[in-house]
Amino acid sequence: AQSVAQPEDQVNVAEGNPLTVKCTYSVSGNPYLFWYVQYPNRGLQFLLKYITGDNLVKGSYGFEAEFNKSQTSFHLKKPSALVSDSALYFCAVRDRSGGSQGNLIFGKGTKLSVKP
Amino acid sequence: EPEVTQTPSHQVTQMGQEVILRCVPISNHLYFYWYRQILGQKVEFLVSFYNNEISEKSEIFDDQFSVERPDGSNFTLKIRSTKLEDSAMYFCASRGGLAAYEQYFGPGTRLTVT
Repeated sequence: AQSVAQPEDQVNVAEGNPLTVKCTYSVSGNPYLFWYVQYPNRGLQFLLKYITGDNLVKGSYGFEAEFNKSQTSFHLKKPSALVSDSALYFCAVRDRSGGSQGNLIFGKGTKLSVKP
Repeated sequence: EPEVTQTPSHQVTQMGQEVILRCVPISNHLYFYWYRQILGQKVEFLVSFYNNEISEKSEIFDDQFSVERPDGSNFTLKIRSTKLEDSAMYFCASRGGLAAYEQYFGPGTRLTVT
């Protein structure tokens, strides 16, 4: 079965430090991977995607993610965290099962807390 | 920047009542989706819609649920007879086309069934 795992419920980082939010996936075929961010009482906001090509993808607000096929991982990173990055982060993979029209399978989310 | 909008932001209803959740996807997008997120749980896929028909639905999307795109702009989710366990945040999303893989989500409707 296809799935996404985010092993950390919460990640705490000091402002200015680098951050990593982990994601691993299980999917048949080549994965199409996404990161979304959810601020309180808001919808899911698209950050970045990996479809093919360079393993390091850059997205909005200085975030980037590294696709690692051998480790089946797609960790989200940022070199210097801001307090305003504090939010809930979701990793997702496109359903590649037969007949799927591109719906997303989400991880359970990781709460990022950046302290001043 | 175009965005997906949803109304209402919060809906409270009694068990057994019908509710309609409304969404306006990004114009010129072709694929439409509904997801739900029960408090504290994962975002779960409900249904996808393309070319004026359902293209895929999950096990959650049973006979109590239906979707419609009545006028070329709105995209609605109807729950015929709500249950307590339908209480959740419902997100609408749209996607541009075949090779546009990212989905854009609305702010959600919080449905509370009492």
